[in-house]
Amino acid sequence: DTAVSQTPKYLVTQMGNDKSIKCEQNLGHDTMYWYKQDSKKFLKIMFSYNNKELIINETVPNRFSPKSPDKAHLNLHINSLELGDSAVYFCASSQEQSRYEQYFGPGTRLTVT
Amino acid sequence: AQTVTQSQPEMSVQEAETVTLSCTYDTSENNYYLFWYKQPPSRQMILVIRQEAYKQQNATENRFSVNFQKAAKSFSLKISDSQLGDTAMYFCAFMTARYGSRLTFGEGTQLTVNP
Repeated sequence: DTAVSQTPKYLVTQMGNDKSIKCEQNLGHDTMYWYKQDSKKFLKIMFSYNNKELIINETVPNRFSPKSPDKAHLNLHINSLELGDSAVYFCASSQEQSRYEQYFGPGTRLTVT
Repeated sequence: AQTVTQSQPEMSVQEAETVTLSCTYDTSENNYYLFWYKQPPSRQMILVIRQEAYKQQNATENRFSVNFQKAAKSFSLKISDSQLGDTAMYFCAFMTARYGSRLTFGEGTQLTVNP
């Protein structure tokens, strides 16, 4: 049973396209996150949602838009993809009462050509 | 702003030996958590160990232990009896509830365990 799942695991697309990455967690958590890992392996928070409400919105281009249809899902939509968007994107989740336990998905490697 | 620094980009150790990975952080908070995550080639992020800042006792998980020095803002990871499966990128991370419980990561240390 996968706790935090992401689809797709690999995504190759051309500049200018629009793409989405989906994340689902079956842990009953109420908080979900998106992190970006760049080519140098540096990980940085992008967004966080608690009970479908945005609570963290880092300095991320407007082309990135998270959407949380319910507590178990947090999708990431990216418009007008650029070469610099190539990275691994990780979804994570936690329970508000124990936010120190974040569970990560397997990551989605996005390659923009 | 919280910052986390790992000054060792790469380290190597012989199988069965002990290795220590360094991490320092900067914060004005008093209540926070510190973590070590492991990322093997599979790229899955795996929590290795966690330390609550209010606890003086250093956390231990089997072969993994930390040396938490709150005043010095230092949080090192010791891996005993290193195994080939320990080969991975290791990230030190910081969290405080004040900033939405985001994890702030260091740059990572690539550890290679040699047979």
